[in-house]
Amino acid sequence: NAGVTQTPKFRVLKTGQSMTLLCAQDMNHEYMYWYRQDPGMGLRLIHYSVGEGTTAKGEVPDGYNVSRLKKQNFLLGLESAAPSQTSVYFCASSYSILGTEKNTEAFFGQGTRLTVV
Amino acid sequence: DAKTTQPPSMDCAEGRAANLPCNHSTISGNEYVYWYRQIHSQGPQYIIHGLKNNETNEMASLIITEDRKSSTLILPHATLRDTAVYYCIVRRGGVSNDYKLSFGAGTTVTVRA
Repeated sequence: NAGVTQTPKFRVLKTGQSMTLLCAQDMNHEYMYWYRQDPGMGLRLIHYSVGEGTTAKGEVPDGYNVSRLKKQNFLLGLESAAPSQTSVYFCASSYSILGTEKNTEAFFGQGTRLTVV
Repeated sequence: DAKTTQPPSMDCAEGRAANLPCNHSTISGNEYVYWYRQIHSQGPQYIIHGLKNNETNEMASLIITEDRKSSTLILPHATLRDTAVYYCIVRRGGVSNDYKLSFGAGTTVTVRA
């Protein structure tokens, strides 16, 4: 049981290049999230998904796109990378049971360290 | 979601209890208090959560005041491995399908030998 796996773990991009970050979870979770974390700051939500085929914007969505074609995967895309997107990206997933707050904790991946030069 | 206030940093002696405060004075009735921690450069890790009753698990205890305006996370016997940034998060739960987490700056806890 791997939990949440992020690919790749490190990447250096040139300004204007594109790339896709992959997040995979094997816990059959409905909810998946992409966060970014900049030095000395907490995590900020980029996009999230409440189920297969659905996505929604978080607090810092500009410059990113996402897709959730399969329940277990959540992809984060950068169409034209900018130096301001240099950050550590974390994916997370959680279960949801409406009407109760049991087993609703989020599980996080180990992060992708992206540098845009 | 209600905003939380935490001290930016605190030190703790190894083997002693660490008491981490969190203020959430604007919390509403259907909002839960969650605690996560982030050990250097790793992904955040869930610790515990509660609504109004005190909670305990194998990692920590959560004490929520009767008026729910503040809470304390207790690490009963801190070890060097507990050095991390601890985040107190308030989030709507139950009937809402909004499971997003809003992270603040957290408290940097340093456990010293």
